[in-house]
Order: sequence, then structure tokens, then C-alpha cells
Amino acid sequence: SQTIHQWPATLVQPVGSPLSLECTVEGTSNPNLYWYRQAAGRGLQLLFYSVGIGQISSEVPQNLSASRPQDRQFILSSKKLLLSDSGFYLCAWRGGTGADEQYFGPGTRLTVT
Amino acid sequence: QKEVEQDPGPLSVPEGAIVSLNCTYSNSAFQYFMWYRQYSRKGPELLMYTYSSGNKEDGRFTAQVDKSSKYISLFIRDSQPSDSATYLCAMSEASWGKLQFGAGTQVVVTP
Repeated sequence: SQTIHQWPATLVQPVGSPLSLECTVEGTSNPNLYWYRQAAGRGLQLLFYSVGIGQISSEVPQNLSASRPQDRQFILSSKKLLLSDSGFYLCAWRGGTGADEQYFGPGTRLTVT
Repeated sequence: QKEVEQDPGPLSVPEGAIVSLNCTYSNSAFQYFMWYRQYSRKGPELLMYTYSSGNKEDGRFTAQVDKSSKYISLFIRDSQPSDSATYLCAMSEASWGKLQFGAGTQVVVTP
């Protein structure tokens, strides 16, 4: 069966500090990978998606970047965090040898102070 | 106009009642439809996945897709307090394509 991991689960960072969130998927190969952000009480905003190693598409211009160094690893980064980067960050996967459905990870709650 | 419209609620129902949720959409190319349940501070959990039109049942959950009306529904029978959560609809054109999400409906089931 497939599983998706995200870490850390929670993070408190000062403004201007760097960020690195990691997501890994097990049990599938060549999935599409996604990063979403969910602000408090709001819907899901797609930030980045990747259809393969090194292939990143950005949905929203912002202070963040993403990378996919391995087939089942997706990383969300920032060089300098802004207050507006606070939120709940979710990684998701779809397709590959797994399924057509999309599954989400447990999320990382980021608070920028 | 958003591609996917979903009433944010909250929708409050007594325990044992049927919960009825729906989404409308404007893109006639959508073919893959999903419903997620999200508890507070948790990642969304996939509840139902349907392709094209029709009904799908899984335990207390029934998903309906009416492509002619661009309307999808989720019904929860015999609702329980543990069903209290936010329910998100999502849809895409292609099987591996990007999902378009509704804003989510908050459901509260009172004992």
C-alpha cells in the first residue's frame, strides 16, 4: 500500500529565516506530486506540482520554491520567510503505479513570527 | 466565477440525520470527481472517487455525479458526531491532472 510522509509536523520560524519542508511517498513509482497551502479557514491553494524528477511547475508567484531530487521526494523551500507564509502545508500524490485518486499527507503547520 | 462552487456552511444536523453536500462546476471537461473529509489540523482524507456520471456507494456514503447539470453530491446516512468535519469536493479533466477544489463545507453533527 502507498503512504505519504511529511515532516516536520509543526514549525515555528522567525521572519527572514530559511525553510525546508520534505515530503516522501512510498509504494508507488513516478507519481505526480503536489504542494498545497491552506490558510486558516480557507480553501486549498496549489503552489507547485511535479510530473517527474527535476520537473517543477509553479502555480502562484511567491516567496517559495520546490524541488524533486528523487522520484518519490518533494521539497518545499524558501530563502527568507515572510509573515504571509504562515499556513498549513500539504503534500499530495496522484497516479504513478498507485492510483488515479489523489492522496494527501498529514501536513506541516508553519507559523512565521 | 470560480470553477467549483461549494457552500462553506456550517451545516448543522442532529445525529442520525442524512447529511447532503453538493458542489457545482462550470468546466464541462471535468470527468474525475472526489470527495475529501478534513478534520481540524489534519490532512484531507479521500472518501469517494468517481469517474464520469452515476452513483457510487460505500457504507454510509453515497456520491452522485450529474454531468449534464454540472452538479455533484455526497450523502452521509445515519450521521454520527465523528462525521463533524469539513468536506471538500475536487475534480479534474484528466486522470492524473490537477484537481480543482471547492472551498469546503463545514459539517457539525450534534448528539
